[in-house]
Amino acid sequence: GAVVSQHPSRVICKSGTSVKIECRSLDFQATTMFWYRQFPKQSLMLMATSNEGSKATYEQGVEKDKFLINHASLTLSTLTVTSAHPEDSSFYICSAHKGSAQPQHFGDGTRLSIL
Amino acid sequence: EDQVTQSPEALRLQEGESSSLNCSYTVSGLRGLFWYRQDPGKGPEFLFTLYSAGEEKEKERLKATLTKKESFLHITAPKPEDSATYLCAVQEDDYKLSFGAGTTVTVRA
Repeated sequence: GAVVSQHPSRVICKSGTSVKIECRSLDFQATTMFWYRQFPKQSLMLMATSNEGSKATYEQGVEKDKFLINHASLTLSTLTVTSAHPEDSSFYICSAHKGSAQPQHFGDGTRLSIL
Repeated sequence: EDQVTQSPEALRLQEGESSSLNCSYTVSGLRGLFWYRQDPGKGPEFLFTLYSAGEEKEKERLKATLTKKESFLHITAPKPEDSATYLCAVQEDDYKLSFGAGTTVTVRA
């Protein structure tokens, strides 16, 4: 199998708080993980590509200082939303693949609500 | 300009009523086309990968086909548990995925 675990599943916090989301590949090593954002009734939008041992690659329009990504091991990537504001409220989903030609497998997402 | 367009946006079916979902794409170097199923509040679940025109894949009541410009996901004799949003994504040379907006399928018993 190819299981990706994401934690926490839901976060509700006050404006100005920083929030860390973890993404783990449970039964395979992933040199590359991906972070997406999904608004209601819309598709997944790629935010950044997380590479183990190197800096993440951010998509155009995504603030790298706002969304900090760390990929410290072959099974763990973290996304930290710094000083979150209500407009950062969204559904954040991570994915990982066993190899570049393999399908991406997704975590169950994190619902972030900033009050 | 959208690279991946899915239609219809929503599809309401009676149990047993077969139908097809469409995914049209406009990319130059297609490495693969992926179909996923997404349930509310969950991440996408991988269904199929198609790599070249003419290829077909089947899984239970689902069958995916690919041409040079589009892919179809056929649902044969659907059951209520097939209700979900079906997402299509294309992968180009940079290995990133571009997703369509999805088709939300509702199957009534």
